[in-house]
Amino acid sequence: DAGVTQSPTHLIKTRGQHVTLRCSPISGHKSVSWYQQVLGQGPQFIFQYYEKEERGRGNFPDRFSARQFPNYSSELNVNALLLGDSALYLCASSLDAGMIQETQYFGPGTRLLVL
Amino acid sequence: GEDVEQSLFLSVREGDSSVINCTYTDSSSTYLYWYKQEPGAGLQLLTYIFSNMDMKQDQRLTVLLNKKDKHLSLRIADTQTGDSAIYFCAEEGVTGGGNKLTFGTGTQLKVEL
Repeated sequence: DAGVTQSPTHLIKTRGQHVTLRCSPISGHKSVSWYQQVLGQGPQFIFQYYEKEERGRGNFPDRFSARQFPNYSSELNVNALLLGDSALYLCASSLDAGMIQETQYFGPGTRLLVL
Repeated sequence: GEDVEQSLFLSVREGDSSVINCTYTDSSSTYLYWYKQEPGAGLQLLTYIFSNMDMKQDQRLTVLLNKKDKHLSLRIADTQTGDSAIYFCAEEGVTGGGNKLTFGTGTQLKVEL
């Protein structure tokens, strides 16, 4: 079975632009989470979605938004890009949400560079 | 609040054991995870431990948990060059109908011949 897939793999944008990142979860998984990993740091939680509903939001500005589709795939949108948004954006999928031990499996990430 | 800390760097010789340490602060965490990240790649799940356990062994990996001190360690036996990577510990928080992982800063493991 395919793991978590993300597209694109790399992206270069300029300040002020908008970006959309995409994620497809493991087949059968209903929850998708997004994390931002700045170089040299651990991943930081951005959002979790389950059955198209937001189940959690990290400490990120409103420029960050996401949604989940009926097929459980997800998009992360970032508006008005800043240089500090340059990072590896990781998507993770899990079977469900809100239960303990919901193991999250990560995709390869999208590397975003903002110039 | 949650805070997870790790030492930044560890260097070992091939064939030796590696021990990567982690401390966390959220006493309500139920599961703790170890992930591995190779250069330019995503996170690979290695193992996890439930907070009411004190040890879990999985082939070359041994996880030790001291819940009183909120200290977690990952021991890799017979370390190989392919184990060179960044290792992250993460605690799981369950709130508001969702789950989130809080990660440490990562420990870079370098295996030398």
